[in-house]
Amino acid sequence: EIVMTQSPAILSVSPGERATLSCRASQSVDSNLAWYQQKPGQAPRLLIRGASARATGVPARFSGSGSGTNFTLTISSLQSEDFAVYHCQQYHDWPLYSFGQGTKLEIK
Amino acid sequence: EEQLVQSGPEVKKPGESLKISCTGSGYRFNNYWIAWVRQMPGKGLEYMGVIYPGDSDVRKSPSFQDQVTISADKSISTTYLQWNSLKASDTAIYYCARRFFGGSRYFDLWGRGTLVIVSS
Repeated sequence: EIVMTQSPAILSVSPGERATLSCRASQSVDSNLAWYQQKPGQAPRLLIRGASARATGVPARFSGSGSGTNFTLTISSLQSEDFAVYHCQQYHDWPLYSFGQGTKLEIK
Repeated sequence: EEQLVQSGPEVKKPGESLKISCTGSGYRFNNYWIAWVRQMPGKGLEYMGVIYPGDSDVRKSPSFQDQVTISADKSISTTYLQWNSLKASDTAIYYCARRFFGGSRYFDLWGRGTLVIVSS
């Protein structure tokens, strides 16, 4: 099983600033990595697929990078609606998907 | 509009059985894999398994192999997650999610979740 590890668990950032979230895989997943955003009381929403491709309707301030085992989600200028929990997921090892434990992005 | 509609919240006692559902609409339901994902209170997402409604091919995570049953009724575009004997530790929100149709296997559509509370 591929283990996904996200860091930090909680990230405190001020609105307008940049946020950088990390996700590491225990073995290579190539670019088979997705990021999801989850707001309180809501289902997860696809943000990034293929490690760096934004999903339909996702603002350009969200960007993903990385391949292999190390990945980053960057939000360039935080808006109030961006404060949420972010989950990474590998889909390389079909059908044994795995998620990271999530990073909570909170207002500083 | 493409959507996955999940059944409503449930409150059960330990040892009881339960079957929750996920119904797709607005797309060819039988042609897409549907996954089930657990989220325990205050925790992250855990993948449980997937089903292909067209032929009911099921693949489960080893962590959930003997814990739940995943099934489908393609005639009504619905998949199910079932427990024979619930435990308090089954208290969670359960999401269904659609696997993207193409070669990439991420989840592109999610249901709103079903809250299951197991308490004596």
